[in-house]
Amino acid sequence: AQKVTQAQTEISVVEKEDVTLDCVYETRDTTYYLFWYKQPPSGELVFLIRRNSFDEQNEISGRYSWNFQKSTSSFNFTITASQVVDSAVYFCALSGANTGNQFYFGTGTSLTVIP
Amino acid sequence: DGGITQSPKYLFRKEGQNVTLSCEQNLNHDAMYWYRQDPGQGLRLIYYSQIVNDFQKGDIAEGYSVSREKKESFPLTVTSAQKNPTAFYLCASSIEVVVGGNTIYFGEGSWLTVV
Repeated sequence: AQKVTQAQTEISVVEKEDVTLDCVYETRDTTYYLFWYKQPPSGELVFLIRRNSFDEQNEISGRYSWNFQKSTSSFNFTITASQVVDSAVYFCALSGANTGNQFYFGTGTSLTVIP
Repeated sequence: DGGITQSPKYLFRKEGQNVTLSCEQNLNHDAMYWYRQDPGQGLRLIYYSQIVNDFQKGDIAEGYSVSREKKESFPLTVTSAQKNPTAFYLCASSIEVVVGGNTIYFGEGSWLTVV
């Protein structure tokens, strides 16, 4: 079974604080891909990152960083020095290599950054 | 600019009426998708298409229909058979759908409200 769990439904932080969004996944595939998307109030899902299961190196892009740990089946997302523009719903998603391009989305984490 | 265009952004429908949501992409992607998003929930797949004149049901296809007459276009019709059509609808595309792990890119979405 393929499943993504985002246990944090809503998070509020004060501007400039760091925040980590959790993502735990389940899959029986040995090759799979993990994604994060950002959904601002406008509605469009914006692609942030794609990671394959063989690459466990952490990724940093500006204030964003991702921690992929196969041992705990987690792909957590950290925003450093949060800004009001970071307020959005963030979705984690999983795609298996052998199931077509079927995506399994978590239920999302709503992040509010308070000025 | 390359991207996915959905229209209309907001649509009101009377009960018993069919309504069609438009989706056009100029990314030259073979695969296109329709997702439904309800408040506080993740995305659920309605239909997808991997090539012109071919499409497959997703997890919640009942009450919906699609067509794929052109590579660029994948309109979604919400029929009167859909019991609870009020939702946010997202169109998406990817290079292909056969092999997993291809990034899915999204349009800006369409809000459908039944009155």
